[in-house]
Amino acid sequence: DVKVTQSSRYLVKRTGEKVFLECVQDMDHENMFWYRQDPGLGLRLIYFSYDVKMKEKGDIPEGYSVSREKKERFSLILESASTNQTSMYLCASSLAGGPVDTQYFGPGTRLTVL
Amino acid sequence: AQKVTQAQTEISVVEKEDVTLDCVYETRDTTYYLFWYKQPPSGELVFLIRRNSFDEQNEISGRYSWNFQKSTSSFNFTITASQVVDSAVYFCALSVGTGNQFYFGTGTSLTVIP
Repeated sequence: DVKVTQSSRYLVKRTGEKVFLECVQDMDHENMFWYRQDPGLGLRLIYFSYDVKMKEKGDIPEGYSVSREKKERFSLILESASTNQTSMYLCASSLAGGPVDTQYFGPGTRLTVL
Repeated sequence: AQKVTQAQTEISVVEKEDVTLDCVYETRDTTYYLFWYKQPPSGELVFLIRRNSFDEQNEISGRYSWNFQKSTSSFNFTITASQVVDSAVYFCALSVGTGNQFYFGTGTSLTVIP
């Protein structure tokens, strides 16, 4: 089974703090994704990566950055957290090459910024 | 542009009733993939089904069935004899060509009342 893990299920941070959300997958997937989920808005793509050290902006990258130093790990960074970044953050991974492959998700991190 | 619409925000049914969740998609690509995911209260999105645009056969998996109709750009999901464990948020998603990006609907929250 594909396993995607996220470092925290719940996180509370203060405005202005630097926040790191970590995601690890154990299936040697090339692609990794970060989404945020908000009520009524569904899942929105923040960033994705199709290879180590490669990244692409999604639909809502403002206020976020990412890091992919190793194939299995994809980090989402909030340089200076703000209250409007309070949300559920979901990480996903998928195989690359050929047709679109299924994305497998982690359990999510519910971030609250006070 | 790609878009997925799940017009039903919330649905409540009594246990053992059948329920259909609607999904309408928009794309001009001829090659695309459609997905359904389940998000139980625990938060993790669970993959249910993947369907490509060249395969219009309906699929049945136990109590779950999916009706793909290109003529109406719909990919509806039916749960037969619903159970309390089916209570979750269900997301429909679209991906086109060989791209990595998924386009998610806003989700339908299903509550099955015992």
